[in-house]
Amino acid sequence: AQSVTQLDSQVPVFEEAPVELRCNYSSSVSVYLFWYVQYPNQGLQLLLKYLSGSTLVESINGFEAEFNKSQTSFHLRKPSVHISDTAEYFCAVRGLGGSNYKLTFGKGTLLTVNP
Amino acid sequence: EAGVTQFPSHSVIEKGQTVTLRCDPISGHDNLYWYRRVMGKEIKFLLHFVKESKQDESGMPNNRFLAERTGGTYSTLKVQPAELEDSGVYFCASSLADTWYEQYFGPGTRLTVT
Repeated sequence: AQSVTQLDSQVPVFEEAPVELRCNYSSSVSVYLFWYVQYPNQGLQLLLKYLSGSTLVESINGFEAEFNKSQTSFHLRKPSVHISDTAEYFCAVRGLGGSNYKLTFGKGTLLTVNP
Repeated sequence: EAGVTQFPSHSVIEKGQTVTLRCDPISGHDNLYWYRRVMGKEIKFLLHFVKESKQDESGMPNNRFLAERTGGTYSTLKVQPAELEDSGVYFCASSLADTWYEQYFGPGTRLTVT
């Protein structure tokens, strides 16, 4: 079984400031890792994923996350945020192997970008 | 291309009543998932369909919940009878057979049981 801990429930920042949203996971097997974003009144959207290969993964809108196996972490970062990045961000994990495709989510981090 | 759609967007019912939630996945997506988020908690997996078959229903809370996917297209999730603790947002997601890791989520149905 897997579990995910998002250490911050809310992160307020000013526009153009850097941000880091923290995610730690627990698993007895190797994992795939994901970040999803939910904008107000919308469904969750896949922001980025780590399946294999390079431990640093990037999204098209400037976010990046680094898989750190020793720290069991997958923190999300952006060097300069915009007002439009205001949303709730969810870290998720799935264990390798089998036909079980279910994702295990953290509780979410609400990122609020202020002008 | 239309995304995952869910109906209704909101539902308010009394304890003991029945509610049916509907999900229309993206056309051609064999995998369909139901998740639920209770207020203040994490999003939790309920079950997974591959076409019309239940692949994994380990997250279903109890036998008051019944999910179906007749014909392998849309899915329904029925709660009967509803209890207060069933309140939350119910999300549906779908994915292609080969790219299970790209699960596309619908906007959710907010269920309030009073």
